[in-house]
Amino acid sequence: DADVTQTPRNRITKTGKRIMLECSQTKGHDRMYWYRQDPGLGLQLIYYSFDVKDINKGEISDGYSVSRQAQAKFSLSLESAIPNQTALYFCATSADGYEQYFGPGTRLTVT
Amino acid sequence: RKEVEQDPGPFNVPEGATVAFNCTYSNSASQSFFWYRQDCRKEPKLLMSVYSSGNEDGRFTAQLNRASQYISLLIRDSKLSDSATYLCVVPEVEKTSYDKVIFGPGTSLSVIP
Repeated sequence: DADVTQTPRNRITKTGKRIMLECSQTKGHDRMYWYRQDPGLGLQLIYYSFDVKDINKGEISDGYSVSRQAQAKFSLSLESAIPNQTALYFCATSADGYEQYFGPGTRLTVT
Repeated sequence: RKEVEQDPGPFNVPEGATVAFNCTYSNSASQSFFWYRQDCRKEPKLLMSVYSSGNEDGRFTAQLNRASQYISLLIRDSKLSDSATYLCVVPEVEKTSYDKVIFGPGTSLSVIP
């Protein structure tokens, strides 16, 4: 089984809808991250969490929120999806912040 | 200057060739560096870590030049399976946190038969 899993893997939704992307890990890491990737651009950090009680905004947090339900689970929500949030979303975990292990990604399309 | 810059490529090389990518970074306080590999539409995976002047792993060699603030990745005897995008990763060194990294935009490599 994969160490970092993401659900759903693909999602098409309409503008204005609320959507949640989920991430689970079995690596036992405290640090978890949400990134988005757009074609031709690097990974951009949305939110990161060092433990259940420590959540921080990344460089592009506007329009997103997160929930760290447990050490192993970190969810990303789009409260009211808009078309420019169409992207590939990755969850990652890390023991030290540097070497990161990624989930398989969620391809989100907002129409 | 952007925090992490890479030549986007694409680099198109024949099998067996040697190819090198460069990555420049702006934060002189960074101490460790990483190369990740990302296959098309897949998740990035750690390829190599660089903590001192360089690192070698089989056909792959990473070198660090702190004075000029760049990292290079050299691939010898290129294989078709090396075709991917290579991401340069640099820690974001802040006053209170060393737990974030910055991903470069990536360099695309295609190895041609």
